[in-house]
Amino acid sequence: DIQMTQSPSSVSASVGDRVTITCRASQVISTWLAWYQEKPGKAPKLLIYAASSLQSGVPSRFSGSGSGTDFTLTISSLQPEDFATYYCQQANSFPYTFGQGTKLEIK
Amino acid sequence: EVQLVQSGAEVKKPGESLKISCKGSGYSFTSYWIVWVRQMPGKGLEWMGIINPSDSTTRYSPSFQGQVTISADESINTAYLQWSSLKASDIGMYYCARRSGGRTMYAFDIWGQGTMVTVSS
Repeated sequence: DIQMTQSPSSVSASVGDRVTITCRASQVISTWLAWYQEKPGKAPKLLIYAASSLQSGVPSRFSGSGSGTDFTLTISSLQPEDFATYYCQQANSFPYTFGQGTKLEIK
Repeated sequence: EVQLVQSGAEVKKPGESLKISCKGSGYSFTSYWIVWVRQMPGKGLEWMGIINPSDSTTRYSPSFQGQVTISADESINTAYLQWSSLKASDIGMYYCARRSGGRTMYAFDIWGQGTMVTVSS
């Protein structure tokens, strides 16, 4: 199985800050990577697919980059609604796997 | 509107069986695979398995192989997740999601609202 490791596990930041979350795959996955946002009591929401493509309707302050084994999700200027938990997920091969999540908290 | 609607919350006893559902609408149900994802209380997302509704081909995570069964009925645009004998450790929120096409490199673009399963004696 491909292991996905996110860092940090949690981060505190303020409105307006720039935040970067990283995700590392245990083997090469090309750009078969997606990022999701999860808020309490709600289903996860797709933010980024194919490592760097913005899902329709997602604000442009979200961006993704990377290929191979190392990936990043960047939020350029945090808004109050961005405080949530973020997950990366690989779809290179079965079983698909998620990272353990990064909780973004208000400082 | 493209959506997945899941069945309601369940409260069961250990050893009981359970089948929860996920109904798709607003798109061609047989054109997209459906995945199931578990989230235990306070924990992260776990990929359980996937089904192709057009021919019922399934793949499971090794962690869930033999523990659950994924099925689909294309005639009513519905996918299922079932247990033959629930354990207390099966407690959690279960989500279905649509695996989008190759252009998105198989991201999960539409999610159901989740079904909470509680197992308690």
